Amino acid sequence: LAKTTQPISMDSYEGQEVNITCSHNNIATNDYITWYQQFPSQGPRFIIQGYKTKVTNEVASLFIPADRKSSTLSLPRVSLSDTAVYYCLVGDRTGANNLFFGTGTRLTVIP
Amino acid sequence: DAGITQSPRHKVTETGTPVTLRCHQTENHRYMYWYRQDPGHGLRLIHYSYGVKDTDKGEVSDGYSVSRSKTEDFLLTLESATSSQTSVYFCAISRGSGTNYSSYNEQFFGPGTRLTVL
Repeated sequence: LAKTTQPISMDSYEGQEVNITCSHNNIATNDYITWYQQFPSQGPRFIIQGYKTKVTNEVASLFIPADRKSSTLSLPRVSLSDTAVYYCLVGDRTGANNLFFGTGTRLTVIP
Repeated sequence: DAGITQSPRHKVTETGTPVTLRCHQTENHRYMYWYRQDPGHGLRLIHYSYGVKDTDKGEVSDGYSVSRSKTEDFLLTLESATSSQTSVYFCAISRGSGTNYSSYNEQFFGPGTRLTVL
């Protein structure tokens, strides 16, 4: 099963770019990499998903190297409202019951 | 936001009592999930359903049962609540196409139910 490893916490100042790296050494060929964001007292919210290279949407960018054993979520010019927990998940090909959220990375944006 | 509601939103109960949490969706998605979230553990999957009357266990299923008699409703039951089941419970849904593995990963979450077992 493809589990992930992320830093427990990160701090950043407002306006800076934040990069959160996730390692997933056992990623399988058909696995996708997905990132979620969770604010206090809310359920997680899907941010971005990718398979390889780079994916960008209006919220973030996801960088995946060729070996796919890691990925980096990039948040451009963070604001205080980006303070949240960010989860990296890898989808296992055996089915929907093998998505492990883990404990995520707690990002704190400082004024 | 994705047409998912959970009820109740808050509940306090006593050890040994049965508790049922309800998740309701208006999206007609095939897959539904129950997670619990505890400090230091992140989100852990309890049970999931891949269709009406089709359910399977997740990582932490002991002490929980589920039922899905209609596409839109997924019930989580604690037959005899214990203090260790004090947690925040989240329901989620996903499209879950059989040939598109990426769709398993895009889950939409409900607002959560805070359960306290005294």
